[in-house]
Amino acid sequence: EAGVTQFPSHSVIEKGQTVTLRCDPISGHDNLYWYRRVMGKEIKFLLHFVKESKQDESGMPNNRFLAERTGGTYSTLKVQPAELEDSGVYFCASSQAFVTVMNTEAFFGQGTRLTVV
Amino acid sequence: AQSVTQLDSQVPVFEEAPVELRCNYSSSVSVYLFWYVQYPNQGLQLLLKYLSGSTLVKGINGFEAEFNKSQTSFHLRKPSVHISDTAEYFCAVSVITGTASKLTFGTGTRLQVTL
Repeated sequence: EAGVTQFPSHSVIEKGQTVTLRCDPISGHDNLYWYRRVMGKEIKFLLHFVKESKQDESGMPNNRFLAERTGGTYSTLKVQPAELEDSGVYFCASSQAFVTVMNTEAFFGQGTRLTVV
Repeated sequence: AQSVTQLDSQVPVFEEAPVELRCNYSSSVSVYLFWYVQYPNQGLQLLLKYLSGSTLVKGINGFEAEFNKSQTSFHLRKPSVHISDTAEYFCAVSVITGTASKLTFGTGTRLQVTL
């Protein structure tokens, strides 16, 4: 079974440009999460989808970030326009149920390393 | 608000030696605790989690952790490490609000195992 897949693995863009990150969760996983790790700091929550519905987007830094999950399958995270402080590794994770349910695990993708220059 | 503190940013250890990676949490509600590992160029992988019941939790690759409510700790241990355990380890607490769920992570501990 394929795991969580993220595209691209690396992206280098100039300040002011737009970048779109994609996440393909494990098939059948209704829960999809985005996290970000800025260099040297903790991994921070961005938002949580259940199917196509945003359950919690309290971690989104500002309105330059837009996440979508049309049809409840893959998700995209768009940054427009990108700023220098947006650099970091963006992780996507998916799970069948909440991770507090026994025998449920959140599976993480390898991440997209975004560098804004 | 729930939070996690990992006191050690780096832990060097010799192969076959025991190791303990420290994690302290703060929470005002039910506590669900996790340890994840990230090997180089890979995503995060679940090592173990505590939801309820026995305070000693066993995970994959010989790791275990003990939930200590009085000390608000969830330290990760392994009696004998291997070179392949070199990785970054993250402690996390799960926060559930209504129909939403998220993990709050610590800053990570880099475990460096040498011969």
